[in-house]
Amino acid sequence: DAGITQSPRHKVTETGTPVTLRCHQTENHRYMYWYRQDPGHGLRLIHYSYGVKDTDKGEVSDGYSVSRSKTEDFLLTLESATSSQTSVYFCAISESGDSYNEQFFGPGTRLTVL
Amino acid sequence: GQNIDQPTEMTATEGAIVQINCTYQTSGFNGLFWYQQHAGEAPTFLSYNVLDGLEEKGRFSSFLSRSKGYSYLLLKELQMKDSASYLCAVVDSNYQLIWGAGTKLIIKP
Repeated sequence: DAGITQSPRHKVTETGTPVTLRCHQTENHRYMYWYRQDPGHGLRLIHYSYGVKDTDKGEVSDGYSVSRSKTEDFLLTLESATSSQTSVYFCAISESGDSYNEQFFGPGTRLTVL
Repeated sequence: GQNIDQPTEMTATEGAIVQINCTYQTSGFNGLFWYQQHAGEAPTFLSYNVLDGLEEKGRFSSFLSRSKGYSYLLLKELQMKDSASYLCAVVDSNYQLIWGAGTKLIIKP
């Protein structure tokens, strides 16, 4: 299994508070991704990174920011959490951005915003 | 817009065969993935198709028709552990994965 961990695994927070989720990989893969997964929706890309300090927006980036200061770590921040951001968040990694490169997923973080 | 359609839920019997369909309309096509996701767990890779035809991998096979915007995942000799959601995802012209909502497969004894 690819070495990907996410922390925390579960978090309950209140509306308006900042939240940071961490993704850590030991595979030295160049690409890292943050997705959210909600019932009735497919996985939706929030942000992704193609190298240290190189990031770009995905489909649902509003209200989220990311940082990647080291190859192994990719942080997702909710500056001011809202109830609509209650979701399961998955981090994924891939060796390159080539179409045939599968993505390996972390175990997920279940976030509840009250 | 971009759209991936899969049935929401399917039921099958242990030992039988089931086919899960996926139709897509995307801006460009650079391949199609199938992933398996057990409840409460992360998605895991099953297959990748970029050329038309059938790819067989043990009990699982995946088929692609680019002209029809259609793929299916075929699961043979179903086992209880195959109860999971199956996610179809297309690589679009920007090399981003566009995901379907997934098909929940329920296996009955």
